[in-house]
Amino acid sequence: EVQLVESGGGLFQPGGSLRLSCAASGFTFSNDYMHWVRQAPAKGLLWVSGINGDASGTYYADSVKGRFTISRDNAKNTLYLQVNSLRVEDTAVYYCAKDKADSGSFDYWGQGILVTVSS
Amino acid sequence: ETVLTQSPGTLSLSPGEGATLSCRASQSVNSRYLGWYQQKPGQAPRLLIYSTSSRAAGIPDRFSGSGSGTDFTLTISRLEREDSAVYYCQQYGSRQYTFGQGTKLEIK
Repeated sequence: EVQLVESGGGLFQPGGSLRLSCAASGFTFSNDYMHWVRQAPAKGLLWVSGINGDASGTYYADSVKGRFTISRDNAKNTLYLQVNSLRVEDTAVYYCAKDKADSGSFDYWGQGILVTVSS
Repeated sequence: ETVLTQSPGTLSLSPGEGATLSCRASQSVNSRYLGWYQQKPGQAPRLLIYSTSSRAAGIPDRFSGSGSGTDFTLTISRLEREDSAVYYCQQYGSRQYTFGQGTKLEIK
């Protein structure tokens, strides 16, 4: 059974940094692209970033380039998202999601982790 | 960036009826890279349809997808109360992924 479990959320101050983690199990992690998608309160879904299986390629939404860094540790089956220079508008539930190969879709999602940025 | 516009914003239907949800793209989308998701309150999204018309694992055949180019449709037949949710379309192109703003489906 595929499982994705996010951690690292909480309350953060504007200008600060955070690192989210997503622990994966139930599939061959190193074979699959992985992504982060966020959802601001009562808003829609926004793809944030993606990374290929061997971490040689990373992709970002234009709105987060320069502040967000995606990475992975295939030995630990874990996906990461580093966010710097936090803004109030980064407040959202952050989901990690597994890519469904050759479809551009996300077939498994974590339960999500809430990040609140507030002074 | 390809913008996806979903319509209607809200749909209110009765059990047993059929629903047609639309997703229009600002530029042509490769049909291999168009998907649909269902999201219920407090839950993560669930993949329903990928590659325009293929059902994801465990999705009942009441859900079907169609379309090409810039116009795509999610059809839900024989609505059940459990279908009450927000539905999102999503596309991939040029190393960017975008979602539509969602259609809220209410079951009366």
